[in-house]
Amino acid sequence: GAVVSQHPSRVICKSGTSVKIECRSLDFQATTMFWYRQFPKQSLMLMATSNEGSKATYEQGVEKDKFLINHASLTLSTLTVTSAHPEDSSFYICSARDGGPGELFFGEGSRLTVL
Amino acid sequence: AQRVTQPEKLLSVFKGAPVELKCNYSYSGSPELFWYVQYSRQRLQLLLRHISRESIKGFTADLNKGETSFHLKKPFAQEEDSAMYYCALKGGGGNKLTFGTGTQLKVEL
Repeated sequence: GAVVSQHPSRVICKSGTSVKIECRSLDFQATTMFWYRQFPKQSLMLMATSNEGSKATYEQGVEKDKFLINHASLTLSTLTVTSAHPEDSSFYICSARDGGPGELFFGEGSRLTVL
Repeated sequence: AQRVTQPEKLLSVFKGAPVELKCNYSYSGSPELFWYVQYSRQRLQLLLRHISRESIKGFTADLNKGETSFHLKKPFAQEEDSAMYYCALKGGGGNKLTFGTGTQLKVEL
């Protein structure tokens, strides 16, 4: 099946710095990728829909300037957490669909810890 | 607004016992529902979708529009079924998925 890969899987940074997380579709092209955030023992919350070649669509309550999304190619979307603070510590997961209404494949997730 | 509710955070059953993981949804349109599973230290993966009407790993789920439910069932639980299960609804623009809060299934020997 299709594979979605995230990097890094874990990152620790200091408060005030920016962190970039990459999401790649390894064996398929994805015009749309989704970024989720998951708090411990809670559900996945959709943050934004990343569209190749255009601006991301953010969910209500998600700060666009805080969570910058770039989808520069059909196989790569990046999420940059700018000026990170401890409350941004979370598990970030991306997903991509293998064409049309097909199955959604998930990355392994990236755990961000902001000190 | 669309919403998915999974009332149980944890469900503990004995091996060989029947399993039912509950899922209720709220959506004004025609929903498309899914069950995703996350085994320990693994990524989230699709278990089954209602439109396929399939049985995967012995699990089935029937969409009941009258009760707005999509409960996941298995007649005989196995130890390897222990995992986190998420019910999800696809609706609205952009093919977005809305997830429930998940149910941790623990199958005991």
